[in-house]
Amino acid sequence: NAGVTQTPKFQVLKTGQSMTLQCAQDMNHNSMYWYRQDPGMGLRLIYYSASEGTTDKGEVPNGYNVSRLNKREFSLRLESAAPSQTSVYFCASSEEDAEAFFGQGTRLTVV
Amino acid sequence: KQEVTQIPAALSVPEGENLVLNCSFTDSAIYNLQWFRQDPGKGLTSLLLIQSSQREQTSGRLNASLDKSSGRSTLYIAASQPGDSATYLCAVLTDSWGKLQFGAGTQVVVTP
Repeated sequence: NAGVTQTPKFQVLKTGQSMTLQCAQDMNHNSMYWYRQDPGMGLRLIYYSASEGTTDKGEVPNGYNVSRLNKREFSLRLESAAPSQTSVYFCASSEEDAEAFFGQGTRLTVV
Repeated sequence: KQEVTQIPAALSVPEGENLVLNCSFTDSAIYNLQWFRQDPGKGLTSLLLIQSSQREQTSGRLNASLDKSSGRSTLYIAASQPGDSATYLCAVLTDSWGKLQFGAGTQVVVTP
């Protein structure tokens, strides 16, 4: 049982480049999330999707877009990367108020 | 806006001592509270989930309590081991869509 799988694990971008972070879950969860983790700040919600076909902004959505491709997959896109987006990105999934499951993270550096 | 605080930010204990980790939140209207463990360079692993109607939850050496009225949760780890060294994060569920509000975490080191 793979749980939540994120790709890539590491990425270095130049300022202004774009990229898409991929996330897939195999637990048939309705809800999926993207968080970013910065030193000393805990995890902050970027976007979430409560069900297939719906997405909504979280606490820090600026500079990001998302796509809920199907029930399994939820991608995060950086259209024009900035150094402030250097962070560790986590994808998660859950069923409403049940336990949340997290991927292993993507470590992104923007230079 | 819900704010979640974990104090202390870092903690070092000798092996065998009990660990007590604190989490406080400002709005008592939560659906549940979850404790996670994060090892360096890794993702989050769920340890315990306490529903808003519960007072505590136990799993092996771990026990978590919840006092909604005072906005506090405590994670107890009995007889700590070096393998318990990690960062522990608490998070509260603030709505029915599953959005979690996290604390910044407590970094724990258990020395042999």
